[in-house]
Order: sequence, then structure tokens, then C-alpha cells
Amino acid sequence: GQQLNQSPQSMFIQEGEDVSMNCTSSSIFNTWLWYKQDPGEGPVLLIALYKAGELTSNGRLTAQFGITRKDSFLNISASIPSDVGIYFCAGQLMAGNTPLVFGKGTRLSVIA
Amino acid sequence: GAVVSQHPSRVICKSGTSVKIECRSLDFQATTMFWYRQFPKQSLMLMATSNEGSKATYEQGVEKDKFLINHASLTLSTLTVTSAHPEDSSFYICSINGWAGSYNEQFFGPGTRLTVL
Repeated sequence: GQQLNQSPQSMFIQEGEDVSMNCTSSSIFNTWLWYKQDPGEGPVLLIALYKAGELTSNGRLTAQFGITRKDSFLNISASIPSDVGIYFCAGQLMAGNTPLVFGKGTRLSVIA
Repeated sequence: GAVVSQHPSRVICKSGTSVKIECRSLDFQATTMFWYRQFPKQSLMLMATSNEGSKATYEQGVEKDKFLINHASLTLSTLTVTSAHPEDSSFYICSINGWAGSYNEQFFGPGTRLTVL
């Protein structure tokens, strides 16, 4: 089945540093999404990407959808302690009522 | 965006019992809901697609007779774990597709932590 290869698996950074994580796939996705999950909670959508090459920002977060629709990166600038959590990339193969395929997640730890 | 609730938020049960988990779409009529399972320190894996008024579609390796799904209305889907065993202990999360502005997005419930003793 389809898989999303997400890296890095975990990161330890100093508060104020920038963070970058990425996902790749051998499959072409219609939509690419980035979620954050805090312990014991469901994923919360951070950024959704719909067009190839699209670059979208949400506050300190920036994400881009690869031209080939097979990859994406997420950048977090000037990290703060509340950025701690697990970040997942997720792809939707087709638009509409279709499920998501998730990457394995990047566990982010921020050291104050 | 759509708001999704789940009940209960956590449940502990004895091995062999059945547990029902509810997923509600609070402000959006959902003909389709998705059920995912997440084991500790792992990613979310799709279990099944719940379709209002028809049978659910299960992913390969997910036993339909063990994980009963009922999508009786446009706002409620239930997942019943029958004859639960310790290996069924996991975090169960539902989601729906909804509209955020002009785009279609997937919104997740807060999850249900199931612990089978």
C-alpha cells in the first residue's frame, strides 16, 4: 500500500531554533496535510496543501507541496516550548470522502 | 471547520467484554466517517470506512466481526470492539471530511483510549 516516509523520526532543539521535517512518497497525492498531535489527543490540522508547488504559511509554520506531488516539507521558525509534540504528514490520494495515509511522525522536543 | 466528538475519552475493560465507542459530527452531516487506530509511539492506521446507511469497508487485516461499525445517522458512527483482548488496547480515533471555506479537509475526534486488562 501507499506509504509516506517521514523524517527525522525525532528532534531535540533549543528554543528559538528553526525546525524542518519532510515526507516523501512513491505515490502521487491529491492533497497533503500536516498535523500536530499532543499526548492523548487527536491530531490537529496545521496546514493543508492542495496544489503542486504550493507554499503555504500559518504563523511560524511554512509548508510546501512538491511539484511532483510526492513530497512535502514543514518548517517551524523560532520554536517555542509549546511546539513540543508529534508532527505527522498525511496524504489523501483523491479529493473528497477518502481516508488519509499517515507518515510515522516526527517527535519534536524543545529545550528551553 | 467541523467539530468531532468521541465518547468515552477513555475506557478500561476486562478481557472478553465488548466496548462501544461513539463518534459524533457536531456541526456537519457526514455520510462517511473514518476509524483509525494508533498504538503507542506509532502512527495512525486506517481501520475502516464507515458509510451511512450501508456496510463499512474494512482495511486488510482488520476483522469485521470483531470491530463492528454502525453508521446509523449522518452525525453518529459507533465502533464496537467485541470480545476485547489486551492486544486491542490502543487509541481509537475517528475523523470526517468537512468543508473549511472552499476546501475539503479531514477533521479528527479527540480519540478514545482503550485499555483491556
